[in-house]
Amino acid sequence: GENVEQHPSTLSVQEGDSAVIKCTYSDSASNYFPWYKQELGKRPQLIIDIRSNVGEKKDQRIAVTLNKTAKHFSLHITETQPEDSAVYFCAALGLGKLTFGQGTILTVHP
Amino acid sequence: NAGVMQNPRHLVRRRGQEARLRCSPMKGHSHVYWYRQLPEEGLKFMVYLQKENIIDESGMPKERFSAEFPKEGPSILRIQQVVRGDSAAYFCASSQSSYNSPLHFGNGTRLTVT
Repeated sequence: GENVEQHPSTLSVQEGDSAVIKCTYSDSASNYFPWYKQELGKRPQLIIDIRSNVGEKKDQRIAVTLNKTAKHFSLHITETQPEDSAVYFCAALGLGKLTFGQGTILTVHP
Repeated sequence: NAGVMQNPRHLVRRRGQEARLRCSPMKGHSHVYWYRQLPEEGLKFMVYLQKENIIDESGMPKERFSAEFPKEGPSILRIQQVVRGDSAAYFCASSQSSYNSPLHFGNGTRLTVT
């Protein structure tokens, strides 16, 4: 089955800095890669996604890149703000099942 | 358009009792997924269902756990004879299809076994 590895497990940045979270996946058949943000005690919320026919996608301060050959994808947050503090999960969809990474606790210090 | 609805939000059960968790998918979504999340951990896949069919239950424990998604009504995750280790947040998600389609999560049911 699919295996998704996510790094780092914790990330601490100063407000205004950039944050990068990286994920690798094992199943070359996976074709859809969403990123979720989860605040404490709340549900995971989709923040951006990318499909396998695209190499990069951007939405305001958030961007995602995908390298299918290397089987890795990354989340980039620019100009971070304290409200970006949360747990971020990457995921890979293959054979109808979404497999999540272990999560990254992002803390943005004012 | 209401999102994914889960109830109850919180459920307390004594060891040995049964827990029934309900999930109504978003309107127009026919694919339902259940995930379990332990405190400060990630989301672990349990089961994927379409109407009246279990598509993939590879993440579900073989004993005490069952899931259904009947033709009418919500999807149900049932845990029989609960144990303390079942305490977790159980999230349901739904999607329009199983390919390239975003999963939208409900607010979860937080199960506490005393």
